[in-house]
Amino acid sequence: EAQVTQNPRYLITVTGKKLTVTCSQNMNHEYMSWYRQDPGLGLRQIYYSMNVEVTDKGDVPEGYKVSRKEKRNFPLILESPSPNQTSLYFCASSLFGALYTTDTQYFGPGTRLTVL
Amino acid sequence: AQTVTQSQPEMSVQEAETVTLSCTYDTSESDYYLFWYKQPPSRQMILVIRQEAYKQQNATENRFSVNFQKAAKSFSLKISDSQLGDAAMYFCAYNGGATNKLIFGTGTLLAVQP
Repeated sequence: EAQVTQNPRYLITVTGKKLTVTCSQNMNHEYMSWYRQDPGLGLRQIYYSMNVEVTDKGDVPEGYKVSRKEKRNFPLILESPSPNQTSLYFCASSLFGALYTTDTQYFGPGTRLTVL
Repeated sequence: AQTVTQSQPEMSVQEAETVTLSCTYDTSESDYYLFWYKQPPSRQMILVIRQEAYKQQNATENRFSVNFQKAAKSFSLKISDSQLGDAAMYFCAYNGGATNKLIFGTGTLLAVQP
C-alpha cells in the first residue's frame, strides 16, 4: 500500500530532551516536507526536501533540523525541545521535486508531540 | 506573499443536504494549484479535491465539487448529499510557488446533523 508513515504517533517529553520523529514513504517520491498544525493557524511548513541531500527551510524552521540521506526517509529532529513546540506534526510527500513543479502532497498520519 | 482565508470557522448541515465552504486566496502568480483537504477526528489529512488554475472547468469528485473563480480568487467547496462521515475540519490550501509549499487556511469545522 502506498503510504507515508510517521513514528511515533504520540510523544510526551520534557524540555531539552532531544527527540526524532521519523517519516518514511514507499512511493519513490522526490519531495518531502514537514508541517506543524496549531489551533487557529492551520498548517505551516517547517522544512522541505526536493531530493536526497537537498533540504531547505520553510516558514517556521527555528528549533528544528532535518536530514535526507535516503530518498524514502525524512526525519525531523528537535535538538532541545521547548513547550512552544507542542503541536501536531505532519510529514508529506509528492512525486516531483523540481523548482516550480507543483504536485499533490500526501500526508502521513500525524505525530502529536507534547513538551512539558 | 500568498495567503489563504477561510472566513467560516464552523458550519453545520443536515444529513442529505448541500453545504458550501468558502475560501479566498491572494497571489500574484498565474499558475498554481488549489486543494481541499479533509481532517476527520482521526487527524489524518485526506485530499478531497484539487484544481489546476489553468483549467477553466471546475473539478468534481463524486459528491464534492468546487466553484473556482480565478479573477475573484475564490475557491469554494460544495458537498452534496451530506453524510455523517463528512463531519470533519476542512482546509483550503494553495500551492504555486517555487518550492511546492502548501499554504493553508485556518480551517472550517463542518458538523453534519442527522
